[in-house]
Amino acid sequence: DQQVKQNSPSLSVQEGRISILNCDYTNSMFDYFLWYKKYPAEGPTFLISISSIKDKNEDGRFTVFLNKSAKHLSLHIVPSQPGDSAVYFCAARSNYGGSQGNLIFGKGTKLSVKP
Amino acid sequence: ETGVTQTPRHLVMGMTNKKSLKCEQHLGHNAMYWYKQSAKKPLELMFVYSLEERVENNSVPSRFSPECPNSSHLFLHLHTLQPEDSALYLCASSRATGRYEQYFGPGTRLTVT
Repeated sequence: DQQVKQNSPSLSVQEGRISILNCDYTNSMFDYFLWYKKYPAEGPTFLISISSIKDKNEDGRFTVFLNKSAKHLSLHIVPSQPGDSAVYFCAARSNYGGSQGNLIFGKGTKLSVKP
Repeated sequence: ETGVTQTPRHLVMGMTNKKSLKCEQHLGHNAMYWYKQSAKKPLELMFVYSLEERVENNSVPSRFSPECPNSSHLFLHLHTLQPEDSALYLCASSRATGRYEQYFGPGTRLTVT
């Protein structure tokens, strides 16, 4: 059973508008969440993260929101640019047991930003 | 060379072959990881090495054999693979295990025929 879910495999947005990428998780022991971006033929690159003690973290055009009660996080990109077109992975990190520090990834959402 | 590099970038091998994937990190990190990404599946953690010692093996079949001779190099030795092992194999490194961001290499696209 997937512990980190990205239910939208793809998203298409017009340049200049907001992109909202969603992620749900099931394990309440996750205490740190990350977003990675992946271009074709490249490995994932770290984008932004948030600790479970916060509900928002902002870095330039990228903002991540965390709703712990709903076990939901989202990545907002404003304004969206064509260069943002990539696959975005949500990842969560557990804070217990032998898996401490290991990342659990979602399947990814492919974002296409149209000029 | 900077960051995390992986060679080869593409590999086609038969089920009876033996091959190795190589990963090198130039970031001064102490932890290295192997991940597998199959089509339409999330990235799956395979192995974790911390200070050249394997600290996690995620129930990976023995036909995959990792080796970490030093903190900068990581290998994945492959033998008698199955077609379902065809996937993108990604290497990553981090300053240490735990609360540190992982930096990924570009991956090796493996096809088993």
